[in-house]
Amino acid sequence: AQKITQTQPGMFVQEKEAVTLDCTYDTSDPSYGLFWYKQPSSGEMIFLIYQGSYDQQNATEGRYSLNFQKARKSANLVISASQLGDSAMYFCAMRERQTGANNLFFGTGTRLTVIP
Amino acid sequence: GAVVSQHPSWVICKSGTSVKIECRSLDFQATTMFWYRQFPKQSLMLMATSNEGSKATYEQGVEKDKFLINHASLTLSTLTVTSAHPEDSSFYICSALQGVGNTEAFFGQGTRLTVV
Repeated sequence: AQKITQTQPGMFVQEKEAVTLDCTYDTSDPSYGLFWYKQPSSGEMIFLIYQGSYDQQNATEGRYSLNFQKARKSANLVISASQLGDSAMYFCAMRERQTGANNLFFGTGTRLTVIP
Repeated sequence: GAVVSQHPSWVICKSGTSVKIECRSLDFQATTMFWYRQFPKQSLMLMATSNEGSKATYEQGVEKDKFLINHASLTLSTLTVTSAHPEDSSFYICSALQGVGNTEAFFGQGTRLTVV
């Protein structure tokens, strides 16, 4: 089974509007971390936001917030007030603590296009 | 945040030659580094986990004799693609773990390898 599922291959949003990128995950590990990364066309992976499985509050970082619904195993990324520079690929990822491996499992990504 | 430098950012080589890619953590010590491969419009696939001073752990299906990984110091890991073939053309990206547990992984800028 896929550990991370991103069902939206592409999304469009009007500049200055908010957009939600979906992410669901699958794990039996009680301790895990969820990450969102942005990958512009240049290729580098830019860390956006992190949510720990035991965190009570939803993570927020500037215009980014993570809608963490543990029971549903979803960790959607919300980008508010979209900017043209937000156009990029967005990857959801998870790290499981129990395995001790510490590597990230990535979803297939969502290509976000911000329309002026 | 911490900086991971990957070099070169792109390389073109002839079929049958070897290519070395370096991944350096510039301002922190990374006991663990990860090497990922990304095909166009696809997600990042973990190739191997590199631990300082020990042999790398390769993911299933990754040829360890073809993708040589060396992690000789706490700040440097190298990936050598030996006897490269056109099917090895891809985007290779490393990440370094700062600390343990569910902490952020920092990524290099990636290396676009083209084998002609």
